[in-house]
Amino acid sequence: KAGVTQTPRYLIKTRGQQVTLSCSPISGHRSVSWYQQTPGQGLQFLFEYFSETQRNKGNFPGRFSGRQFSNSRSEMNVSTLELGDSALYLCASSLGGTSYNEQFFGPGTRLTVL
Amino acid sequence: DAKTTQPNSMESNEEEPVHLPCNHSTISGTDYIHWYRQLPSQGPEYVIHGLTSNVNNRMASLAIAEDRKSSTLILHRATLRDAAVYYCILRGGTGNQFYFGTGTSLTVIP
Repeated sequence: KAGVTQTPRYLIKTRGQQVTLSCSPISGHRSVSWYQQTPGQGLQFLFEYFSETQRNKGNFPGRFSGRQFSNSRSEMNVSTLELGDSALYLCASSLGGTSYNEQFFGPGTRLTVL
Repeated sequence: DAKTTQPNSMESNEEEPVHLPCNHSTISGTDYIHWYRQLPSQGPEYVIHGLTSNVNNRMASLAIAEDRKSSTLILHRATLRDAAVYYCILRGGTGNQFYFGTGTSLTVIP
């Protein structure tokens, strides 16, 4: 079974631009979560989607948004990029997103904002 | 979700057992205890999880205190490939999200 895939793997943008990251979960998984990882803040939860609905949201500004499609693939969008948005963005999928389901992480998208 | 407290770093000799502690004094009855690890330049990977009873799998064992306010991840024989940051996470409640915390950076000495 193929793992979680994320595209692109690397991205360079300038301040003020917007960016869209993509995540394809493991086949059959209906929950997709997004995380931001930076050296200073560690791994921080952005949001979780389950069956095309946002189920949980972390403490990030409205510039960060996402969506999930009927095939469970998910996209994350960041508008009006800031230097502080430079980070590794990780996507994780799980079967049902319940308390006991394990999450499977993708390799991440490394975003650099100049 | 309740938060966890872990030591920032630990060292272990290769082929020796490693006990990684985690305190979660505000755990609720429905919180599952998850452990993940992150190897350099990779996304986190699942290690083990449990609710009340001790758990074993091919990677590790999880020992949960009777009052559930602490737990210990046990790697029975550390290898160099086990060098990683280990995260103890509680998941449950209405938020149902993962709070990763700072984790424990494990160094394995050959």
